[in-house]
Amino acid sequence: DGGITQSPKYLFRKEGQNVTLSCEQNLNHDAMYWYRQDPGQGLRLIYYSQIVNDFQKGDIAEGYSVSREKKESFPLTVTSAQKNPTAFYLCASSIWAAGLSSYNEQFFGPGTRLTVL
Amino acid sequence: RKEVEQDPGPFNVPEGATVAFNCTYSNSASQSFFWYRQDCRKEPKLLMSVYSSGNEDGRFTAQLNRASQYISLLIRDSKLSDSATYLCVVNIKDTGRRALTFGSGTRLQVQP
Repeated sequence: DGGITQSPKYLFRKEGQNVTLSCEQNLNHDAMYWYRQDPGQGLRLIYYSQIVNDFQKGDIAEGYSVSREKKESFPLTVTSAQKNPTAFYLCASSIWAAGLSSYNEQFFGPGTRLTVL
Repeated sequence: RKEVEQDPGPFNVPEGATVAFNCTYSNSASQSFFWYRQDCRKEPKLLMSVYSSGNEDGRFTAQLNRASQYISLLIRDSKLSDSATYLCVVNIKDTGRRALTFGSGTRLQVQP
């Protein structure tokens, strides 16, 4: 079955610790994205990547870092510099329509709930 | 003004009712529009894309009004299973960012 997997489902972090959230997809999608969702709010873009070894900051990149060494994988590290990291983190992927003005729909993984203790 | 705005609701409707949501967007150059559904504590899932000519998928109809810069979602014959948050998604075209922008969602509660 093709899809996106995220792990772990729940993650607890002590203040001052860095943690890494995993995201893997086998949809052969070029583009991958990380979002954060806080209760009662919409999704906010953290980082996105159009191609291997390249990524772009989204709207709230401060305190986060990413890597894209493989097409299938786009891990997100929440660093100690992120002041309020407790949230629901969602990874998504899509076909990247390079050169076109339209955008393709994104498919989401099941998410990771991060809680800072 | 928010880039994508939705009435948060909740919309409480009885089973079998017809309900409609609107979503306004700020950038007149936007070209891609979607409705996603998100169940409580789950990931968003694509409900339907919104095309210029409008489109229908069973009980769901989506419309785009470029002149007034809004999209709508109509649900006919509501089912209990339609209870969820509906997210409006638009591409906001600017030079520095190539990604979709999500609204905060409209919550629908269908009651027996």
